[in-house]
Amino acid sequence: KNEVEQSPQNLTAQEGEFITINCSYSVGISALHWLQQHPGGGIVSLFMLSSGKKKHGRLIATINIQEKHSSLHITASHPRDSAVYICAVPMDSNYQLIWGAGTKLIIKP
Amino acid sequence: ETGVTQSPTHLIKTRGQQVTLRCSSQSGHNTVSWYQQALGQGPQFIFQYYREEENGRGNFPPRFSGLQFPNYSSELNVNALELDDSALYLCATSGRTNTGELFFGEGSRLTVL
Repeated sequence: KNEVEQSPQNLTAQEGEFITINCSYSVGISALHWLQQHPGGGIVSLFMLSSGKKKHGRLIATINIQEKHSSLHITASHPRDSAVYICAVPMDSNYQLIWGAGTKLIIKP
Repeated sequence: ETGVTQSPTHLIKTRGQQVTLRCSSQSGHNTVSWYQQALGQGPQFIFQYYREEENGRGNFPPRFSGLQFPNYSSELNVNALELDDSALYLCATSGRTNTGELFFGEGSRLTVL
């Protein structure tokens, strides 16, 4: 069993749809990162969560520390949101990140 | 714009050679982590430096080594390159260990022939 599991692995949706990506983890300290990786490799940090909910534009991230579960939501999705979305959990005080396998999102116009 | 710059962006080496990858970040980002991302896979933690000292290491052999400098720049050195070292190498910086936003560079794509 992977220590950080994401679902779905692949997601194709139409422009405007509400998107949800889930992340469950069994290890790590009580914080979680959501990251976005575009083709070509560059990674952008979207959120770091240790409790509750954070919102940035059309992106919303929630976390339940007790259940070790987090969700990333995208409202009014747009083709430019197409990317791989990854959740990652710091393993220990050295901040080694354990990464999920990523969710490849494609938004069709 | 993350303020983290990696160089070179692409390079090709042959087996047995040595490579140095570089990462520069904003002032105050005293923690840098390096990751290896093979094609189609998630990043794997190589090591982390905090205030010029190695502060954690993943499951990589000693031929992977690093340095962090007082100006917050960092290097990843790989000796005796193997074909499986072909990957995207990412550095991530932050202001403090254990907390805070991470800033990633665009990565250095290494191909070993």
